[in-house]
Amino acid sequence: AQKITQTQPGMFVQEKEAVTLDCTYDTSDQSYGLFWYKQPSSGEMIFLIYQGSYDEQNATEGRYSLNFQKARKSANLVISASQLGDSAMYFCAMRGGSNYKLTFGKGTLLTVNP
Amino acid sequence: DSGVTQTPKHLITATGQRVTLRCSPRSGDLSVYWYQQSLDQGLQFLIQYYNGEERAKGNILERFSAQQFPDLHSELNLSSLELGDSALYFCASSPSGGRSYNEQFFGPGTRLTVL
Repeated sequence: AQKITQTQPGMFVQEKEAVTLDCTYDTSDQSYGLFWYKQPSSGEMIFLIYQGSYDEQNATEGRYSLNFQKARKSANLVISASQLGDSAMYFCAMRGGSNYKLTFGKGTLLTVNP
Repeated sequence: DSGVTQTPKHLITATGQRVTLRCSPRSGDLSVYWYQQSLDQGLQFLIQYYNGEERAKGNILERFSAQQFPDLHSELNLSSLELGDSALYFCASSPSGGRSYNEQFFGPGTRLTVL
């Protein structure tokens, strides 16, 4: 079974500062993928970034980077230079082994203050 | 815009009724996934279809069923609706149903309210 844990129900950050959203995972699969999605108040799910378990380098996509620490089973999302539009719910998810489904964490609500 | 379309956007119905949610995947994507997002259960995987065949099943109730048609669009049928079925239902698509870890592109969702 796969499990995603996001321990921060809510986070606050000042505009233009960096913020780290925590995600730990549990799986017995050797090969797996980790994802982060953003869900604004409008409800859609927006893909942000992906990390494969065998990728040696941390993934980056613009202002988003994924701090992947395999031994610790963590896949934290770092958002640099926060913007007001970054205020949203953020979900960590994984997919691995014979499971085609995405398993999601409970999410972290990020609020960016001006 | 992810390229995945879902209709209707909102649906309000009564307990005991049956509804059908429709999803059109991105052009060329063979896999379709259905997820349910509710306040108490969070985001949960329901079912996956790949090129018309059921590929994986999650926490889908027996009152719920789905299918994928030859043109690759998919429908999720919810019957004998209960208050607890009120949720946001997402469809997602990806290019491959195999052992790859491609991104899943999510549609805008259908918000179902059961009164």
